Amino acid sequence: ILNVEQSPQSLHVQEGDSTNFTCSFPSSNFYALHWYRWETAKSPEALFVMTLNGDEKKKGRISATLNTKEGYSYLYIKGSQPEDSATYLCAFGSGNTGKLIFGQGTTLQVKP
Amino acid sequence: NAGVTQTPKFQVLKTGQSMTLQCAQDMNHNSMYWYRQDPGMGLRLIYYSASEGTTDKGEVPNGYNVSRLNKREFSLRLESAAPSQTSVYFCASKRDGLTGELFFGEGSRLTVL
Repeated sequence: ILNVEQSPQSLHVQEGDSTNFTCSFPSSNFYALHWYRWETAKSPEALFVMTLNGDEKKKGRISATLNTKEGYSYLYIKGSQPEDSATYLCAFGSGNTGKLIFGQGTTLQVKP
Repeated sequence: NAGVTQTPKFQVLKTGQSMTLQCAQDMNHNSMYWYRQDPGMGLRLIYYSASEGTTDKGEVPNGYNVSRLNKREFSLRLESAAPSQTSVYFCASKRDGLTGELFFGEGSRLTVL
């Protein structure tokens, strides 16, 4: 059983705060680590796909890092805005099977 | 540009009835997935297909069957629906390649009474 854990489960911040979440995954047989943003009443949309240890990706105010040796990835949001309110999901790909297992998500609420 | 299309969007079934959720993608992707979403549990993988003609079990396959009819279509069948299968079901396809991301359908809300 592949265990993908995200923390915290939920987060409430004020507009302008910076925040970060963690995704933990098995350190063996790593293939890829995905991050998705999921707004209420919509479908998840991809933020980043990372494959190499030490990878860092950035899209606007959102960035992510990857440590495959210890099995974790961080997602950072700088200067949170109310429109950043969503659930953030990570997904772990193992081996070369195409199998992608999601964590339970971190729900972020940004108050104006 | 349709992307991933799922039907139906809503369905109510009685316990023991059968139904098939249809999924089609127009992006020529090899890999397709079925997930279910339940409160507090994120997305759980039911079945996936790495290519036309192949399917593999995910985390929660019991009570479901799948068919990868061709490269475009990947259907999910409930042979004898149970209340525990009440959920929102998402189909996804993955862009080919190591860094390919998932593209999701709009979801199908299924209620089993």
